[in-house]
Amino acid sequence: AQSVTQLGSHVSVSEGALVLLRCNYSSSVPPYLFWYVQYPNQGLQLLLKYTTGATLVKGINGFEAEFKKSETSFHLTKPSAHMSDAAEYFCAVSEGDSWGKFQFGAGTQVVVTP
Amino acid sequence: SQTIHQWPATLVQPVGSPLSLECTVEGTSNPNLYWYRQAAGRGLQLLFYSVGIGQISSEVPQNLSASRPQDRQFILSSKKLLLSDSGFYLCAWSVEVSYNSPLHFGNGTRLTVT
Repeated sequence: AQSVTQLGSHVSVSEGALVLLRCNYSSSVPPYLFWYVQYPNQGLQLLLKYTTGATLVKGINGFEAEFKKSETSFHLTKPSAHMSDAAEYFCAVSEGDSWGKFQFGAGTQVVVTP
Repeated sequence: SQTIHQWPATLVQPVGSPLSLECTVEGTSNPNLYWYRQAAGRGLQLLFYSVGIGQISSEVPQNLSASRPQDRQFILSSKKLLLSDSGFYLCAWSVEVSYNSPLHFGNGTRLTVT
């Protein structure tokens, strides 16, 4: 079975600073990887996904993530944090050998300070 | 375009009472449908998924059940709620038979069992 580990349950960043959220996965097959964002009392919204091809993936709201197979990582970054980026972020992997099932990380809460 | 509707948004129910949460998807046919639960401070737990009408797979044994009476309708039920059933319930859909298709979430139902 595949698994996802998000390092850091809470991250505090200053407005304008780099946002870096770490995600590592374990997989015995080529993974399909996703980042989601969740605002309070709302569902999860897809930020970006990696399936095949280019390892640097750009998403919405200025976020991007890089798939590094050698490091089994899929870290999410944004060069300059905005107050509206305060939310919870989830990394997820699709179990390609058991279609339709996703494994989510525990989530990282991002706080943006002025 | 596809949309997902989930209701009610909030619900307060006494212990031992029944539960019915409903989710419908518009703009797509034969989607995969999912019920997730998000407990306070925890990640997402897959409860049920469905690949077609009447086809339900349970991931976690508990006092909840799910049904799919129509192609784009997914219902989460309980005959008698427990305190531990409190949480944020999320319905989601994805394109059928597609390993790399992301999940699309509804806005969730906040259930408080008192």
